[in-house]
Amino acid sequence: DIQMTQFPSSVSASVGDRVTITCRASQEFGRWSAWYQQKPGKAPKLLIYAASTLQSGVPSRFSASASGTHFTLTISSLQPEDFATYYCQQAKSFPLTFGGGTKVE
Amino acid sequence: EVQLVESGGGLVQPGGSLRLSCAASGFTFGRFWMTWVRQAPGKGLEWVASIKQDGSETYYADSVEGRFTISRDNAKNSLYLQMNSLRVEDTAVYYCARDRGEEELWLVWDYWGQGTMVSVSS
Repeated sequence: DIQMTQFPSSVSASVGDRVTITCRASQEFGRWSAWYQQKPGKAPKLLIYAASTLQSGVPSRFSASASGTHFTLTISSLQPEDFATYYCQQAKSFPLTFGGGTKVE
Repeated sequence: EVQLVESGGGLVQPGGSLRLSCAASGFTFGRFWMTWVRQAPGKGLEWVASIKQDGSETYYADSVEGRFTISRDNAKNSLYLQMNSLRVEDTAVYYCARDRGEEELWLVWDYWGQGTMVSVSS
């Protein structure tokens, strides 16, 4: 099984800050990954797929990259609506796995 | 507008059974892989099970293999999760989700339901 280790588990930031979240995979699997945003009491929202492709409708301040076993999500200028929990996910093979989440507060 | 609406959650005793449903609308249901993902209270996301467009392939997390069954009825635009031998650790919000690929498999999910709560407790 592919394990996804996500860090940090939480980050304190202010509006306008640049925020970076990282996931490290237990093995290389190319670009089959995704990032989701989840707000309290709501379903997750797909932000990024195929490691760096922005889902339709997602603001361009969100970006992501992949290198080897490292996957990074960057919010270039944090907005009030971006305070949420973010999850990475490997989409290479079953069982599908998520990172543990990063709360941006 | 794509909509996924889960139902069937509730309180059940350990060892009991529950059947979740997900009613889909706004897209051609039979063209998409579908998936159940759960989230225990205060915890992260956990993939549970996925099913191919025609139901011919199903995949399960080890934690539910042999106890849960995912199925679908394309004529009714509905996805199901039959949960047997429920354990306390199955307590979670259960989401149904649509694969982002029509006729192809991405294993990422662009539409999610609002979730249905399953509580397993004596």
